[in-house]
Formats: sequence, structure tokens, C-alpha cells
Amino acid sequence: QVQLQESGPGLVRPSETLSLTCTVSGGSISNYYWRWVRRPPGKRLEWIGYIHYSGSTTYNPSLKSRVTLSVDTSKNQFSLKLSSVTAADTGVYYCARDLPGTSAFDIWGQGTMVTVSS
Amino acid sequence: EIVLTQSPGTLSLSPGERATLSCRASQSVSSSYLAWYQQRPGQAPRLLIYGASSRATGIPDRFSGSGSGTDFTLTISRLEPEDFAVYYCQQYGSSPVTFGPGTKVDIK
Repeated sequence: QVQLQESGPGLVRPSETLSLTCTVSGGSISNYYWRWVRRPPGKRLEWIGYIHYSGSTTYNPSLKSRVTLSVDTSKNQFSLKLSSVTAADTGVYYCARDLPGTSAFDIWGQGTMVTVSS
Repeated sequence: EIVLTQSPGTLSLSPGERATLSCRASQSVSSSYLAWYQQRPGQAPRLLIYGASSRATGIPDRFSGSGSGTDFTLTISRLEPEDFAVYYCQQYGSSPVTFGPGTKVDIK
């Protein structure tokens, strides 16, 4: 079955760019929408943005100025870049897939902890 | 954005009992675009219900969702040991998608 796996640095310095990749295995990245979601410590889940396999994107307005999503269909991967990070960007980052025809998320990665600290 | 509130914060029950979880939205959720997720410690969230009442693939029929507008409910008819976890609601009828703070169902 389809599985998602996040990868990237667990520690990022303040003001630098957080970069994560989600690898899709067991299925194709094509024909789906793909999401990034995060959970800061002690806070609720927050949607970051989504990307279609075609490359079209939509971002959460609260993060829009700092977020870039991209997709590499040849590698079955999509990626997140979040610039100018602060301690408030610390948290567990998840990638997920949209259930077709909805914006509910039917498949999630295990999540990766990212800490912003000097 | 739509703010979701979940109650209670914690629900202490015994296996075999019925669990009723509430999710309330700050404004009407269009087309009942409301989902429920289960998250066990150290695991990713698992989609249980979408469209307020449709069970996701492989979800046992002891899980059911209901509601519309601003008030939604997740019911677990008879709690199994693996059901003790945290449950989140999510609305996807308006952008940005938002999540509730969660209800923890623990063993009494």
C-alpha cells in the first residue's frame, strides 16, 4: 500500500530555511493532491499547504510569504521549504495525501521532529 | 478561518462502553466537509470519518459520525482496547483547513 516518509534535518538554525522531502512509495504521486501539516509543541495541527502533482500550489495565508512547495514526479517526491524560521516553527512535520474528491487526508507519513535552535 | 472546539478534553471510559465526542465549529462547515482522525502515541493520524458521516476504508463500523452546520459528533459504539487514543476533528469546507485541539479517550 501507499506509504509516505518525511526526511530532512532535525535541527535548523534561526533565520535559516527548513527543508523537508516526502517520498511516496507503493504508488504513484500522479493524480493526487499532497499536503504538509505541522504540530508545534502543545498546539493543534496546522495545515501548511498543498501541491498537486502538476505543480499547482495553495498555501496557508499565515505562512504564505515563507513557504514554497515543489514536486518531483520522476522521484515520486514532494518537498517543503520554509524560510526565515524562528523557534515558533519548531514541531512535528507531517506529509499527507488527500482522499480523492475531498480534502480529508487518508494517508500520512510518520512525521519528523524539527527543532529551530542556535 | 473556522475555529473548531472539541469536548470533552478528556473522556475516561472502560472497554465496552460507548464514547461520544463533540466538535463544534465557529461558523457553519459547508457541505458537511468534516473529518475525524485517531492518533495513537508515536503514530501518524489515521482518517476515520470524512464528509461528517462516511467511514474511511477499513474503519470498523463501531465508529460513526454525524452532524451538520456547526455541530458534529463522533461515536464509538463499544470501545475496544486499541481505541484508547486522541481524536481530532478537521474541517475542509473553507480555506484554510483547520483542526480541533483533540479529545483524549483514556482507560478509566
